[in-house]
Order: sequence, then structure tokens, then C-alpha cells
Amino acid sequence: RKEVEQDPGPFNVPEGATVAFNCTYSNSASQSFFWYRQDCRKEPKLLMSVYSSGNEDGRFTAQLNRASQYISLLIRDSKLSDSATYLCVVPWANQAGTALIFGKGTTLSVSS
Amino acid sequence: NAGVTQTPKFRVLKTGQSMTLLCAQDMNHEYMYWYRQDPGMGLRLIHYSVGEGTTAKGEVPDGYNVSRLKKQNFLLGLESAAPSQTSVYFCASRSSSYEQYFGPGTRLTVT
Repeated sequence: RKEVEQDPGPFNVPEGATVAFNCTYSNSASQSFFWYRQDCRKEPKLLMSVYSSGNEDGRFTAQLNRASQYISLLIRDSKLSDSATYLCVVPWANQAGTALIFGKGTTLSVSS
Repeated sequence: NAGVTQTPKFRVLKTGQSMTLLCAQDMNHEYMYWYRQDPGMGLRLIHYSVGEGTTAKGEVPDGYNVSRLKKQNFLLGLESAAPSQTSVYFCASRSSSYEQYFGPGTRLTVT
């Protein structure tokens, strides 16, 4: 199954660059979406939630396109500390309850 | 504030051995999850639980069993370990919101 698909990258950008990742999902009924960040050999942590058309938090903007079933994450003015893997996440509901399904992640490397 | 803890952090098993991974959370969360993460495969859901005494299969449940006898604990068992189960295992929990909190992971090698 490929409920959530991401470009694995890696994306290699210089400090100060703007970079965008896309994620496509297959379940048209999904109402909420998430971006998690995972540093090397660490656990994932929530970066942003997207419940309507988009969300902005400082240098980070997440946008949702329901018609085309994709969400994007835009990072402006990239910092070295932004280097990580970014995971696109979509809820998966069945009769047993709801779980979160993770994409394989997009790797970002920011260099000086 | 412990959050989600996992024991052990590392383990090496021989093929055919059994073991149990323990996940504990102190946030009174109803939902708990077990994932495995492999290079190039991302996080894949093994089993999950929507409350004490309940469990459900995820994407890759074969070869694993789980139990949720207490709300704060979610156990993942491998009855007969295989090299294909070499992976990093993450436990997570959440409340009614969708923000999941992850444990630090267990690195398991099966030889």
C-alpha cells in the first residue's frame, strides 16, 4: 500500500535557501495531516499540523491541496539546524480505531 | 517528566529466541502504537491499541504479538526472532489529539 508518498531526496541546500517538500496521499477522506521531523537516530517529533488549507509557524509553512491530494512543507531561510528527515503523516482509520501512517520521509541537508 | 520510555534500548538476539519490548507512558494516553523503522522503508505500524485491554493489527503485524493489560504499558513480543526483524522499534502514544509522542527507540539485531 502507498497511502503516503514522499520524494526521499536528499535535498541539499545552502543556508538561507527556500526549500519545499511535497507529499501525496491516497485517502480522499483524510481531514487532517501532519509533518514530523526526525533527526538522525532519534525519535520523530511533531513539527506542524494541517487541518484546513494550511498552517504557518515562523519559517515553516504547510499547505494542503485537497483536490490534488497533496500537502507541502515550505522552509524559508534554511538553517543548519533544519537538517533532518521530514515525515509526512496521514491518519488511517479502520474499525479498530485510528492510527497515523508515516511516509518514508524526505531528507534535508543544509550546508554553510 | 518521563513521557514515553522504552526498554531495552539495545538488544542482540539469536534466531529463534524470544523477547519482549516494554513501552511505558505517564501521560494517561489512551492510544499506544508500535512501529518499526528500516532504512528506505520509513516507519511502519506493527500493532496498536486504542485503550486498555484492546489491541489491533497495523501494516506489518506478522511475527509479533502485543498486550495492553495496563493503560500505561504496551508490550511487544517476538516469539521466535528472525533476521528480518532486525530493526529500530519505536513506541508512541497520544491523547485524543493526533500529536503522537515517541519513545527513544529500541535497536534490535537478530543474528
